[in-house]
Amino acid sequence: LAKTTQPISMDSYEGQEVNITCSHNNIATNDYITWYQQFPSQGPRFIIQGYKTKVTNEVASLFIPADRKSSTLSLPRVSLSDTAVYYCLVGDMDKYIFGTGTRLKVLA
Amino acid sequence: KAGVTQTPRYLIKTRGQQVTLSCSPISGHRSVSWYQQTPGQGLQFLFEYFSETQRNKGNFPGRFSGRQFSNSRSEMNVSTLELGDSALYLCASSLEYSGAYTGELFFGEGSRLTVL
Repeated sequence: LAKTTQPISMDSYEGQEVNITCSHNNIATNDYITWYQQFPSQGPRFIIQGYKTKVTNEVASLFIPADRKSSTLSLPRVSLSDTAVYYCLVGDMDKYIFGTGTRLKVLA
Repeated sequence: KAGVTQTPRYLIKTRGQQVTLSCSPISGHRSVSWYQQTPGQGLQFLFEYFSETQRNKGNFPGRFSGRQFSNSRSEMNVSTLELGDSALYLCASSLEYSGAYTGELFFGEGSRLTVL
């Protein structure tokens, strides 16, 4: 079973910042947190990974509080093309458990 | 660098038949994992192979099996197909520790199976 809990869906407008939070209360000491993006009929694509504090790359930021029981994926200034399902994964061997993900719909 | 290649991309079978799907990982990746994706159940983990050994297994019946060859290419087989096996089957490969990220999964485009 997935060790993570995410909102099922979210709507946003173009140009806004979107924050998707994932709860992982049972995260283990050596677990990393990884986010993937999936478009219809395609395989998921890696977005970002972190262990603690804040990680930023060219497409997103990942905020992880000190207790690591949750994490927030931040997508700056979303566009219509960011409409997709976003998955939060936690763990080593559990890294294959995708859960239901968060369906983000970006509106014009 | 070539990505993960899955073949065939599309196939149609009838109930009771069996099917074999193939996955060629990114060069140098020794871990290959398989997933089934359906509209109702989402993306579900089937199994993972590393150096020709099944290391992790999801909650699927024994009709679903797989193997990995010495060149890291992997195949999965589904026997006695049922209508509910119609799905997109995805394969992913990973380099255990890349130095930057741990276990990042690289997915293929999938094999879409329709069972009639």
